[in-house]
Amino acid sequence: QVQLVQSGAEVKKPGASVRVSCKVSGDTAISYGITWVRQGPGQGLECMGWISVYQGSTKYAQKFQGRVTMTRDTPTSMTYMELRSLTSDDTAVYYCAYGVDQLLFWGQGTPVTVSS
Amino acid sequence: EIVLTQSPGTLSLSPGDRATLSCKASQSVYNSYLAWYQQKPGQAPRLVIYGASNRATGIPDRFSGSGSGTDFTLTISRLEPEDFAVYYCQQYGSSPHTFGGGTKVEIK
Repeated sequence: QVQLVQSGAEVKKPGASVRVSCKVSGDTAISYGITWVRQGPGQGLECMGWISVYQGSTKYAQKFQGRVTMTRDTPTSMTYMELRSLTSDDTAVYYCAYGVDQLLFWGQGTPVTVSS
Repeated sequence: EIVLTQSPGTLSLSPGDRATLSCKASQSVYNSYLAWYQQKPGQAPRLVIYGASNRATGIPDRFSGSGSGTDFTLTISRLEPEDFAVYYCQQYGSSPHTFGGGTKVEIK
């Protein structure tokens, strides 16, 4: 079993950046990945990309290229997702999930509100 | 990008009924790399099926998945009260990985 615990809710102004953290614990594989998924209000799920925690390599969805950065800190088992140049369209719940294919375990979600 | 279209948008059924959910892909899903997730209000999604037909750990056998190529189905043989939720399909065979728009299974 793997647990993912995310940082708390954020409120940001348009044009700002947000960084969401995800702490992974439990019975993880030696080499695993973390995928970031977001869900707008009343909307479906959208994959933003993923990071290989072992290698540090990343793959971002085209929509977020140039605006998102995913990083990890291996000693603390933390993974981070930073999204820049926020607009109201970025208001959503952001999830980290264990895996880069099927997503086996999920964090509790971090609400991000972008409002002036 | 592969577009996944789920139907119907809403399924109104009673406990004990059989639920059949459809997910159609705009292109063939490589190696049937298709998953289904269940999401209840205020909760994170939960993996139900992966590889089109494999139940995730802890998922009861009333859930089954089938399909290949562009057509996939999630079947719940007899709905229990806890099964009423929104279900999403996801393909992870081609980048970017994409989700369908969801099917809400509601109590009739």
